[in-house]
Amino acid sequence: DARVTQTPRHKVTEMGQEVTMRCQPILGHNTVFWYRQTMMQGLELLAYFRNRAPLDDSGMPKDRFSAEMPDATLATLKIQPSEPRDSAVYFCASGLVVDRYNEKLFFGSGTQLSVL
Amino acid sequence: AQKITQTQPGMFVQEKEAVTLDCTYDTSDPSYGLFWYKQPSSGEMIFLIYQGSYDQQNATEGRYSLNFQKARKSANLVISASQLGDSAMYFCAIEMDTGRRALTFGSGTRLQVQP
Repeated sequence: DARVTQTPRHKVTEMGQEVTMRCQPILGHNTVFWYRQTMMQGLELLAYFRNRAPLDDSGMPKDRFSAEMPDATLATLKIQPSEPRDSAVYFCASGLVVDRYNEKLFFGSGTQLSVL
Repeated sequence: AQKITQTQPGMFVQEKEAVTLDCTYDTSDPSYGLFWYKQPSSGEMIFLIYQGSYDQQNATEGRYSLNFQKARKSANLVISASQLGDSAMYFCAIEMDTGRRALTFGSGTRLQVQP
């Protein structure tokens, strides 16, 4: 079964440290999304890419977050410096077009980030 | 602005019975897609079912069906013959054709299936 692979599954770090989360989208999918899930805010879109080009990163705190796709098989989300309020589950998803208008997202298992 | 509302924070259902999870949305866009995802306690997000706004028939996927009422802007998920493994969080989401082409999720409904 093709699946989205995220690493690491869990990350505990201290405030101020850099955190890098990685995602391998499903081969053939041309869109990649980063979502963050917290109890308070639910699932929030941080950024997404189409054909490796960033289309929307308006949901991302620009001063500390950055998202890139160095190639079609790797997407990264970096936080520098990390803060306790960044503690959340970060999901990567890649998209498969289901019709003219929409696409179905396949999610990775998420990275559980705890910033102390 | 698009909005997805799930008014039921939690639901209980007896095993083998059917359950309906509510979802309403607010969009003025003529074309959009509606999705349901399941999140079990393990944390992964699992796609369940999709309904396009122009689809004439309600979507079905096995025990899942989507009760799509366009005029009322509702897209309720119906799970028939509930199983213990259906206990999870369920999220409704919308994707619009214009503007931000990404899923916007509701707050979720936690379903517990009782034996």
